[in-house]
Amino acid sequence: DVEMTQSPSSLSASVGDRVTITCQASQDISNSLSWYQHKPGTAPKLLIYGSSNLQPGVPSRLSGRGSGTDFTFTISSLQPEDIATYYCQQYGSLPITFGQGTRLQI
Amino acid sequence: EVQLLESGGDLIQPGGSLRLSCAASGFTFSRYAMNWVRQAPGKGLDWVSGISDRGGRTFYADSVKGRFTISRDSSKNILYLQMNSLRAEDTAVYYCAKGEGAMDVWGQGTTVIVSS
Repeated sequence: DVEMTQSPSSLSASVGDRVTITCQASQDISNSLSWYQHKPGTAPKLLIYGSSNLQPGVPSRLSGRGSGTDFTFTISSLQPEDIATYYCQQYGSLPITFGQGTRLQI
Repeated sequence: EVQLLESGGDLIQPGGSLRLSCAASGFTFSRYAMNWVRQAPGKGLDWVSGISDRGGRTFYADSVKGRFTISRDSSKNILYLQMNSLRAEDTAVYYCAKGEGAMDVWGQGTTVIVSS
């Protein structure tokens, strides 16, 4: 199985800050990586697929990059509505695996 | 509107069985692979099972292989998860999600509690 190591596990930041979350795969997954936002009591939301492609409707202050084993997710200017838990997910090989999650707080 | 609606979650005793359903609407269900993903209390997201667009290929996490069965009825636009030999560690919110890799539509989830 591909293990996804996501860090940090929690993060406190201020409105307007630049925030970066990293995800490392235990083996090469090319660009088969997605990022999700999850707020309590709601459905998870796909933000980025293919490592760097923004899902339609997702604000451009969110971005992703990386290939192979190392990936990053960035919020360029943190907004109050960005408070959530974020997960990376690899789909380069089965079983699909998720990172442990990053809880983002203001 | 593209929508997924799960149902069937319940409180069930260890060793029992349960079938979850996920009703799809707003898209051509038979054209897309589907998945079940769960979240145990206080834990992260955990992929459980996936099925190809026509249902010919199914995939499972090792933790549920041999106990859970995924299936789909494209005439009714419904995805199923038959869960047998349930264990306490299967307690979770179960989400259905559309997509073969990246999952672009998710339901609100249905809660399964395995406890005596």
